[in-house]
Amino acid sequence: GNSVTQMEGPVTLSEEAFLTINCTYTATGYPSLFWYVQYPGEGLQLLLKATKADDKGSNKGFEATYRKETTSFHLEKGSVQVSDSAVYFCALSSRGADGLTFGKGTHLIIQP
Amino acid sequence: DTGVSQNPRHKITKRGQNVTFRCDPISEHNRLYWYRQTLGQGPEFLTYFQNEAQLEKSRLLSDRFSAERPKGSFSTLEIQRTEQGDSAMYLCASSTDRVNTGELFFGEGSRLTVL
Repeated sequence: GNSVTQMEGPVTLSEEAFLTINCTYTATGYPSLFWYVQYPGEGLQLLLKATKADDKGSNKGFEATYRKETTSFHLEKGSVQVSDSAVYFCALSSRGADGLTFGKGTHLIIQP
Repeated sequence: DTGVSQNPRHKITKRGQNVTFRCDPISEHNRLYWYRQTLGQGPEFLTYFQNEAQLEKSRLLSDRFSAERPKGSFSTLEIQRTEQGDSAMYLCASSTDRVNTGELFFGEGSRLTVL
């Protein structure tokens, strides 16, 4: 079956540090890949997505590249801000499926 | 506010009681999803509606769970004879596109505590 593995948190960084949150997946076929973010007190919202191999999703300074050869979709940002503090979820959707499979989430804490 | 709305936001109940959660999706969205999230875990897919038709149900949705979406608008998720293991956050999401190409818009969730 489908599964998503992402790095355990919490991840604590200083403002302006470089961020990487690792995500690897197992799926049949060629899934679409997503990063969702949950800010404190809010619902999950889509951060970025990639629907085929080698695609790069980007939004709000965050980027992730769909790597089929390593089954990965790592999230990166060059310079994090305090406002990036949130829980980040990697997720996938197989072709023809109606549900998303989520990872456990990574809690990111950015200190001033 | 035109986002996904869920009620109640928090429900505390005793084991064996029935509970019902309501989700009001974004008005033009024909697809509606229910997920369950327990502490330290990511959301787990429960069920999916396209308009009023329930098209997919996860094996996580036991016989005690039932979901409806009459007239393709709001949806309800009922849990009968609640158990302590049902304690979780129940999330609703809606969209216009297929999940593998589009974006799901999530509500803030309904937290269930079963004593």
